[in-house]
Amino acid sequence: KNEVEQSPQNLTAQEGEFITINCSYSVGISALHWLQQHPGGGIVSLFMLSSGKKKHGRLIATINIQEKHSSLHITASHPRDSAVYICAALPNTGNQFYFGTGTSLTVIP
Amino acid sequence: DGGITQSPKYLFRKEGQNVTLSCEQNLNHDAMYWYRQDPGQGLRLIYYSQIVNDFQKGDIAEGYSVSREKKESFPLTVTSAQKNPTAFYLCASSIGRGGAETQYFGPGTRLLVL
Repeated sequence: KNEVEQSPQNLTAQEGEFITINCSYSVGISALHWLQQHPGGGIVSLFMLSSGKKKHGRLIATINIQEKHSSLHITASHPRDSAVYICAALPNTGNQFYFGTGTSLTVIP
Repeated sequence: DGGITQSPKYLFRKEGQNVTLSCEQNLNHDAMYWYRQDPGQGLRLIYYSQIVNDFQKGDIAEGYSVSREKKESFPLTVTSAQKNPTAFYLCASSIGRGGAETQYFGPGTRLLVL
């Protein structure tokens, strides 16, 4: 059983669409990390959050601790947003992250 | 220009051979991590180190070894005991040892078995 589940697994969108990627986790956590993995394999950190909402440019991340759920939103999507988006949860009782399997996003011009 | 470097980008291993993957960071981070990524699976932690000369096993440490003799370096050796080493290996670092901190990732090394 995976402690972190992401949906959808794959997502195709037209340029300009609003995109939502979901992450659910089964344990109490102290932080949640959203990451972006480019086709070449490199990973970039997007957000680290433990409550509420964070925004950076066209990206917004929200988390609901009680519901054990986080979402990553992309507004006005662009082909350069095409990547795999990974969420990772840090359990209250541990010091290592548990990673979801990722959501593969393709934005078509 | 601070960051994490990994080398080589591609590595080929023959049966029974040990190979070492390099990871170097100049971010002055205390903690460093090694992850393995397989298709369809989330990243899995192999080893991590929170301070020089100390490291801890992650979920899948069997068949791997590490050292942390210098703050900036955390090499991973894939030994012959690792029967299925073909994977993408990612090194990461974070500024402190508490866990709830942003991790910065290297570009990865893809290991293939001949």
